[in-house]
Amino acid sequence: RKEVEQDPGPFNVPEGATVAFNCTYSNSASQSFFWYRQDCRKEPKLLMSVYSSGNEDGRFTAQLNRASQYISLLIRDSKLSDSATYLCVVTTNAGKSTFGDGTTLTVKP
Amino acid sequence: GAGVSQSPRYKVAKRGQDVALRCDPISGHVSLFWYQQALGQGPEFLTYFQNEAQLDKSGLPSDRFFAERPEGSVSTLKIQRTQQEDSAVYLCASSVQGEDYGYTFGSGTRLTVV
Repeated sequence: RKEVEQDPGPFNVPEGATVAFNCTYSNSASQSFFWYRQDCRKEPKLLMSVYSSGNEDGRFTAQLNRASQYISLLIRDSKLSDSATYLCVVTTNAGKSTFGDGTTLTVKP
Repeated sequence: GAGVSQSPRYKVAKRGQDVALRCDPISGHVSLFWYQQALGQGPEFLTYFQNEAQLDKSGLPSDRFFAERPEGSVSTLKIQRTQQEDSAVYLCASSVQGEDYGYTFGSGTRLTVV
């Protein structure tokens, strides 16, 4: 079993839709959590950190449930430009970050 | 510089050849990480530096892989006697301090071993 697991998708949604991605992690000692976005043949880029209290950045909302070792990302009012692969990332206090294999989103007109 | 710079952008190596991949992190970033990304998968951790100290090299797949950061800035990932399974994108990332701030990645080096 991988340390960080994501539904690979693909998720194909129309513009304007709301879509949610889930991620589970196995290391209970994990301390920091992030979502990254990766466009085709590009490097991953930090989208947002994830906090226990939940946090929002525009159309994006991230949630963390430490008890269930579960992270989510919600995208509201999807845009064509949101099409990408979304990577869930979990970091221990030893400095090492573990990436999921990503969930692919395609937003269609 | 403004971002993390990696070179070369693309590298084709014959099986058995040695290669060296370079990473120039964001100025002042203490932490530097190397990851390997195969097609369709997420990045896999290789090694981590804090300044010049290599704190974790648990992800290096074999003793053919070696990384250094002698002056705490530029880092080099060296792969000796390349094999076809080494073909991947090698990503370098830097961070202000360890794990709490997220990473800035370079554009990567796409290594193809033929």
